[in-house]
Amino acid sequence: QITLKESGPTLVKPTQTLTLTCTFSGFSLSTSGVGVGWIRQPPGKALEWLALIYWDDDKRYSPSLKSRLTITKDTSKNQVVLTMTNMDPVDTATYYCAHHSSGYHLVWFDPWGQGTLVTVSS
Amino acid sequence: EIVMTQSPATLSVSPGERATLSCRASQSVSSNLAWYQQKPGQAPRLLIYGASTRATGIPARFSGSGSGTEFTLTISSLQSEDFAVYYCQQYNNWPLLFGGGTKVEIK
Repeated sequence: QITLKESGPTLVKPTQTLTLTCTFSGFSLSTSGVGVGWIRQPPGKALEWLALIYWDDDKRYSPSLKSRLTITKDTSKNQVVLTMTNMDPVDTATYYCAHHSSGYHLVWFDPWGQGTLVTVSS
Repeated sequence: EIVMTQSPATLSVSPGERATLSCRASQSVSSNLAWYQQKPGQAPRLLIYGASTRATGIPARFSGSGSGTEFTLTISSLQSEDFAVYYCQQYNNWPLLFGGGTKVEIK
């Protein structure tokens, strides 16, 4: 059974850097074709894809946020870390990590973690 | 960049009735489209990928169709647990993009 869980601060101040950790089980991020993505959802709004890291350490980022995002993995710990710099109140959202296993070009997510709500406020 | 548009924004349906949800892409995404269901306070759940392939454990009352720019998610007979928000996602091109969602509510 694949599970993922997000962890990190619930409150950050404007201009600070957000660091979120996705801890997973039931799969290995060293297996060919596997990836972990981050997706966020502002309260009452739609989903927005942020970043994806593949088993071979290749990475993809949302162009609109690329300058602020870094995604890394620690295969030995079964963790993926997302950092987002220069946080703003508009970044207030529930942040999800999710599993992907169909290779480089066919990227859908299944399953998802439960999500973690991050509020940006001074 | 591709734009994904879902319609209607809200769909009012009685239990047992059929629901038809639409997702339109601003340019062709071939069959590289997924559908997700999200209930209040929960994470999204994958329903369909490849435009028409049901994910593991998804009931047969959920079906997907379409290719290119026009896609449809059909719920043949709505059950109480199906009232939720549904999102489409294209994965034909980067960046990955979700539609704005359709809320299926009880009529």
